[in-house]
Amino acid sequence: AQKVTQAQTEISVVEKEDVTLDCVYETRDTTYYLFWYKQPPSGELVFLIRRNSFDEQNEISGRYSWNFQKSTSSFNFTITASQVVDSAVYFCALIVTGTASKLTFGTGTRLQVTL
Amino acid sequence: DAGVTQSPTHLIKTRGQQVTLRCSPKSGHDTVSWYQQALGQGPQFIFQYYEEEERQRGNFPDRFSGHQFPNYSSELNVNALLLGDSALYLCASSLRTSGRAGEQYFGPGTRLTVT
Repeated sequence: AQKVTQAQTEISVVEKEDVTLDCVYETRDTTYYLFWYKQPPSGELVFLIRRNSFDEQNEISGRYSWNFQKSTSSFNFTITASQVVDSAVYFCALIVTGTASKLTFGTGTRLQVTL
Repeated sequence: DAGVTQSPTHLIKTRGQQVTLRCSPKSGHDTVSWYQQALGQGPQFIFQYYEEEERQRGNFPDRFSGHQFPNYSSELNVNALLLGDSALYLCASSLRTSGRAGEQYFGPGTRLTVT
């Protein structure tokens, strides 16, 4: 069985601070995909990134960056110079091959960015 | 390019009643997955439909059933509603042959309240 753990329930930062959201996953499969989704108050999950298990390169997209470390089964997400619009719940998720589209989600981290 | 749409937006039902939720996938997508998201939790996979058949199922009782139509739209039916069925129900669509495993597009969800 797969499991995703997001130990941080809620984080509050002041605008322009950097913030890192932690994600630890468990799976016995060697081929899998990791995801981050953003859920604003409207409720719709917004896809942020997809990473396969064979690609440990870190990725940067604007103010967002992701650090994937297989050795520690972690896939952390950093927002640089946070903005109020970043306030949302962020979910880390996992899919293993053979389970088609069955995403296993963590419990989410609520990020509150204030002025 | 229309995204994933769901109806209704909100719904209030009484214990024991039955409910039907509807989803239209993103244009060009052929696979629909349903998730249940209880308050403060991550989405939980209910089932997935492809070619009008249920292909995968999560740990949900038979009270939860679904259907996919030839135009790829889908319905989620829940019978004998319990208070614990109160949640946000999310529909996600994907293209089975996209080669991008797990990349799903989510709709805004249907908020179901059971009283």
